[in-house]
Amino acid sequence: AQSVTQPDIHITVSEGASLELRCNYSYGATPYLFWYVQSPGQGLQLLLKYFSGDTLVQGIKGFEAEFKRSQSSFNLRKPSVHWSDAAEYFCTQGGSEKLVFGKGTKLTVNP
Amino acid sequence: DVKVTQSSRYLVKRTGEKVFLECVQDMDHENMFWYRQDPGLGLRLIYFSYDVKMKEKGDIPEGYSVSREKKERFSLILESASTNQTSMYLCASSLGGLAGAQETQYFGPGTRLLVL
Repeated sequence: AQSVTQPDIHITVSEGASLELRCNYSYGATPYLFWYVQSPGQGLQLLLKYFSGDTLVQGIKGFEAEFKRSQSSFNLRKPSVHWSDAAEYFCTQGGSEKLVFGKGTKLTVNP
Repeated sequence: DVKVTQSSRYLVKRTGEKVFLECVQDMDHENMFWYRQDPGLGLRLIYFSYDVKMKEKGDIPEGYSVSREKKERFSLILESASTNQTSMYLCASSLGGLAGAQETQYFGPGTRLLVL
């Protein structure tokens, strides 16, 4: 069965610092990978997605993610975090079956 | 922009009550989904639908049912609410044409349900 692991439950960074959120997926074939963000009290919004092609994917709000098949990883990055990025981030894997969500990483941004 | 709306943001019900959660999307999407979200557990799929009057069980369908009489509307029903159904419920939709797990899903704002 597919599974998605986000090793970090909670991360705190200072505003302006760089950010990397980790994600590992388990499915063998080329997966359909997504990162969603959930601001407090809101639904989920798509940041970016990877299906095939260039392994570095650009998303909204200055986020990017890199697909590394050899490491089964799809880490999310941002060079300079803004206070408005405080939210919960979900790595998600698709394919032929249902979407599988990681348990989420909550990001706190210190001023 | 795709808009997915849910009938209530907050709901308080009593144990044993029948509860209806409504979801409407305005982009003519084929696929619709109901998830519940609990701290530390992430999102879990309850039911989904690929077409009107069609439904499929997700990972945790017990205690729930759904109805899709019109393409734009997907209802989640708690036949007899219990305290362990206290949760955040999220509705989502996707365009269709591909398997639901290959498409972007668009989420509503969620309904936070408290069952007393």
